[in-house]
Amino acid sequence: NAGVTQTPKFQVLKTGQSMTLQCAQDMNHNSMYWYRQDPGMGLRLIYYSASEGTTDKGEVPNGYNVSRLNKREFSLRLESAAPSQTSVYFCASTRDRTFEAFFGQGTRLTVV
Amino acid sequence: GQQVMQIPQYQHVQEGEDFTTYCNSSTTLSNIQWYKQRPGGHPVFLIQLVKSGEVKKQKRLTFQFGEAKKNSSLHITATQTTDVGTYFCAGHSSPGNTGKLIFGQGTTLQVKP
Repeated sequence: NAGVTQTPKFQVLKTGQSMTLQCAQDMNHNSMYWYRQDPGMGLRLIYYSASEGTTDKGEVPNGYNVSRLNKREFSLRLESAAPSQTSVYFCASTRDRTFEAFFGQGTRLTVV
Repeated sequence: GQQVMQIPQYQHVQEGEDFTTYCNSSTTLSNIQWYKQRPGGHPVFLIQLVKSGEVKKQKRLTFQFGEAKKNSSLHITATQTTDVGTYFCAGHSSPGNTGKLIFGQGTTLQVKP
């Protein structure tokens, strides 16, 4: 049972480049999340998906897009990366009945 | 929108001392969850509180949920070096726990041996 798998683990982008962060969970959870973590800012919600085919903005959605491809996968896309998007990105899913969240290992993204 | 605030941001204690972190929400919560993140790691679920005034214990950790369901605390008795990390509270604001899971800023605990 792999839980939540994120790829890649590390990435360096140049300003203006685009990339997609991939996330997949094998726990049959409906809800999935993308967070970014910056020093002193905690975990800030970027986008949220309550179920396949639905997405909703979180606290800091600007500069990002998401796709809930199916129940397992929830991807985060940066269309034109900016240095302000340098951060650690975490994908998570929550158990349907008890709502505890399971996190991926994180993607450390640097935009230069 | 919903905001969850945690204090203090950092805490340095001597091994064996107690530690407490506090969490306050701008809105009434359906539940409050606590997570621990070790340095370089990802957040790991510790516990969830649902009822007003609820108190739960896990060995040296005591979790409380306020009567108004807008605040919570985590208390660690006699800290150990294994307690080092960042502790986050998180909550759902919508009834039925179908809303967004919002995290506080976290409290980073350092323990001096």
